[in-house]
Amino acid sequence: QSALTQPASVSGSPGQSITISCTGTSSDIGGYDYVSWYQQHPGKAPQLMIYDVSKRPSGVSNRFSGSKSGNTASLAISGLQPEDEADYYCTSYTSSSTFVFGGGTKLTVL
Amino acid sequence: QVQLQESGPGLVKPSETLSLTCTVSGGSISKDYWSWVRLPPGRGLEFIGYIHYSGSTNRNPSLKSRVTISVDLSKNQFSLRLRSVTAADTAVYYCARVSDIPPSRFYFDYWGQGTLVTVSS
Repeated sequence: QSALTQPASVSGSPGQSITISCTGTSSDIGGYDYVSWYQQHPGKAPQLMIYDVSKRPSGVSNRFSGSKSGNTASLAISGLQPEDEADYYCTSYTSSSTFVFGGGTKLTVL
Repeated sequence: QVQLQESGPGLVKPSETLSLTCTVSGGSISKDYWSWVRLPPGRGLEFIGYIHYSGSTNRNPSLKSRVTISVDLSKNQFSLRLRSVTAADTAVYYCARVSDIPPSRFYFDYWGQGTLVTVSS
């Protein structure tokens, strides 16, 4: 299984909005509404930010939102804050009953 | 609150077997799926495999021939064995719970802090 495709980096200024894309195939993203997103700060464990494409766990800011169209999922972050600077990973359940991650996107808050 | 903690050697020699254990506290391992994920230096997260408390497993096809995942219900633990390791297996290894409560399914909601395993002679 090939990794999902994410941009290597994105950046934005405080208060701005950004979107991170995650492209897969009909065997993963396109076939299931089981896309999730994780935030990872250096030296820390990943933290769940979005599950089931667009649902937010309790405690996650409503500045984070998710969506999906066809084989591509997206994570949007509005009102960027310095603490949003981190690596972000998408993942999807697959037709092989496994999971596949994206390569990760480094978000820089300028 | 479910908590996970990885344990095992931090240094493994090439061609040997990497063995890690994840201890689950604050909840029973006798439900849900339990997984291993790794983060190689300078690269992205990689799914290794998962096990259901019943013992059924599934693994990343690229690692399948070298990976064994097992569960010990009596100790509330699950384990990873990765055979014939090389330097490419150097990574931070995480254990995580895979939530499966329909209709919400298949996401990693609780993670261990991670443990660095270096493959070197």
